[in-house]
Amino acid sequence: DVKVTQSSRYLVKRTGEKVFLECVQDMDHENMFWYRQDPGLGLRLIYFSYDVKMKEKGDIPEGYSVSREKKERFSLILESASTNQTSMYLCASSYPRGRETQYFGPGTRLLVL
Amino acid sequence: DQQVKQNSPSLSVQEGRISILNCDYTNSMFDYFLWYKKYPAEGPTFLISISSIKDKNEDGRFTVFLNKSAKHLSLHIVPSQPGDSAVYFCAATLFGNEKLTFGTGTRLTIIP
Repeated sequence: DVKVTQSSRYLVKRTGEKVFLECVQDMDHENMFWYRQDPGLGLRLIYFSYDVKMKEKGDIPEGYSVSREKKERFSLILESASTNQTSMYLCASSYPRGRETQYFGPGTRLLVL
Repeated sequence: DQQVKQNSPSLSVQEGRISILNCDYTNSMFDYFLWYKKYPAEGPTFLISISSIKDKNEDGRFTVFLNKSAKHLSLHIVPSQPGDSAVYFCAATLFGNEKLTFGTGTRLTIIP
């Protein structure tokens, strides 16, 4: 079974703090994704990586950056957390070519005060 | 601009009856569609998919129907069970594209 793990289930941070969210997958997937889920807005793609050190902006990249130094690990960075970044963050991974489904981690619920 | 829409935020269905969840899309280039199910405090899990070359795909109690001319797909769950209570997301993608575009989700509640 594919396993995607996220470093924290819940996080509380202060405005202006730098926040790191980490995701690890154990299926040797090339693709990894970061989404945020908000009520009434569904899942929105923040960033996507299709290989080590490769990244592509998603629909809402502003205020975020990512890092992929190893194939199995994909980090989401909030350079200076703001209250409008309070959300559920979901990481996913998949094989290439877009036909395969994405496998999701359990999510990190981030509260920025 | 929401390219994939689920116009019903919530739906309640009696146990044993049919649940029908709907999804509309605007991009006619989408050629592959998926449904995901999400329980609280868990990540979404893949449920069923359909390619645009088909109009129906069935997997046990779950059937997805695709109407390309109407740019509409639906998920039918028969019979509905309490464990089906979850949020359902439809998603769409283009050939050769690694990314999925998700809808806003429908919260399904099965009433015992």
